[in-house]
Amino acid sequence: KAGVTQTPRYLIKTRGQQVTLSCSPISGHRSVSWYQQTPGQGLQFLFEYFSETQRNKGNFPGRFSGRQFSNSRSEMNVSTLELGDSALYLCASSAGRLGGGGAWNEQFFGPGTRLTVL
Amino acid sequence: AQKITQTQPGMFVQEKEAVTLDCTYDTSDQSYGLFWYKQPSSGEMIFLIYQGSYDEQNATEGRYSLNFQKARKSANLVISASQLGDSAMYFCAMRERTSYDKVIFGPGTSLSVIP
Repeated sequence: KAGVTQTPRYLIKTRGQQVTLSCSPISGHRSVSWYQQTPGQGLQFLFEYFSETQRNKGNFPGRFSGRQFSNSRSEMNVSTLELGDSALYLCASSAGRLGGGGAWNEQFFGPGTRLTVL
Repeated sequence: AQKITQTQPGMFVQEKEAVTLDCTYDTSDQSYGLFWYKQPSSGEMIFLIYQGSYDEQNATEGRYSLNFQKARKSANLVISASQLGDSAMYFCAMRERTSYDKVIFGPGTSLSVIP
């Protein structure tokens, strides 16, 4: 089974530009979550999509947005880039439902997209 | 509010020795899951182990075990027989049942295994 894939792996942008990152979940997974990882703030939850609907959202400005397609692939967009948006953006997929015994399915992470804003 | 605390920013352990990485959490929810992830320098997040709030037994996965003390709200990761490949960042994380796939991560512990 193929893992979570993210494209591109590396991006360099300048302030004010916008960027779109893509995530393809594991086959059969319907939930895709996005996280931002920086040395100063650590890992922070951006948003989660399940069956094309945003089910959860973190505390990020409206410049950060996302969507999910019918095949569960997801994209996130950052508009008007700022220097502080430089980070590793991680995508994670899961079945998005409780498993046996009430246990949550674990999330499987992609390799990440490293965004540098100059 | 959800919160995860990892009080050990960095740790060293001798190869083949056991090591415990601390994690405490705060939640008002009765149903939640606790996770540990490993992040090598390559950046990928690797799932290690899961503990549900209603699980009565501590979770184990190979060399990894989770010391779950619900009353103290702690979920420490124990790595037995450390290997050089265990050198990485380790994150404790939590997901509340009502928050679906929103996972809150701790600040992480950097583990270095010494030959």
